[in-house]
Amino acid sequence: NAGVMQNPRHLVRRRGQEARLRCSPMKGHSHVYWYRQLPEEGLKFMVYLQKENIIDESGMPKERFSAEFPKEGPSILRIQQVVRGDSAAYFCASSPWDSTEKLFFGSGTQLSVL
Amino acid sequence: GEDVEQSLFLSVREGDSSVINCTYTDSSSTYLYWYKQEPGAGLQLLTYIFSNMDMKQDQRLTVLLNKKDKHLSLRIADTQTGDSAIYFCAEVDTGTASKLTFGTGTRLQVTL
Repeated sequence: NAGVMQNPRHLVRRRGQEARLRCSPMKGHSHVYWYRQLPEEGLKFMVYLQKENIIDESGMPKERFSAEFPKEGPSILRIQQVVRGDSAAYFCASSPWDSTEKLFFGSGTQLSVL
Repeated sequence: GEDVEQSLFLSVREGDSSVINCTYTDSSSTYLYWYKQEPGAGLQLLTYIFSNMDMKQDQRLTVLLNKKDKHLSLRIADTQTGDSAIYFCAEVDTGTASKLTFGTGTRLQVTL
């Protein structure tokens, strides 16, 4: 049973470009969460999604950031017009529908904005 | 808002016990977690404790919870070099649907 898969592992973008980060949850998991980790800090919650629904996006910046979890395919975190301050590690986690207290994390995507 | 605090660094000798401490502010925390992060890797769930428990043991790991003082600790017995990593404490109020609040992490260094 593969764990939570994130790709790419590393993503380099120039200021103003778009970044797309992908996350495939563990098999059988229907809940996906995105967290951001800035250097020397803990992880900060961004958004919680179920298939085709955003449940809680209280941690998402109001502009340029969006997330989706379609019926088919991975969850996508999209950052438009990236700025240097978006440089961080972005982690995805998933949980089964009946055990949302247990989150399993992917290895993260390290986004570097030049 | 919720706040979770940890000391930044801990150094122990191989074979000794390590104790990593964490304090939190949210009195409605339902679950408290310990995650391990090795360099360049994601977070590995080590253990978690429900807030109505005061202790949980799992092989070399012992979690102690003092709910009155909002203090959580992780004890690693017989610490090995492979235990060198950053350890994150996290809490969740299930009313917020698994929105974990993490501490800044404690870097554990194991020396020979």
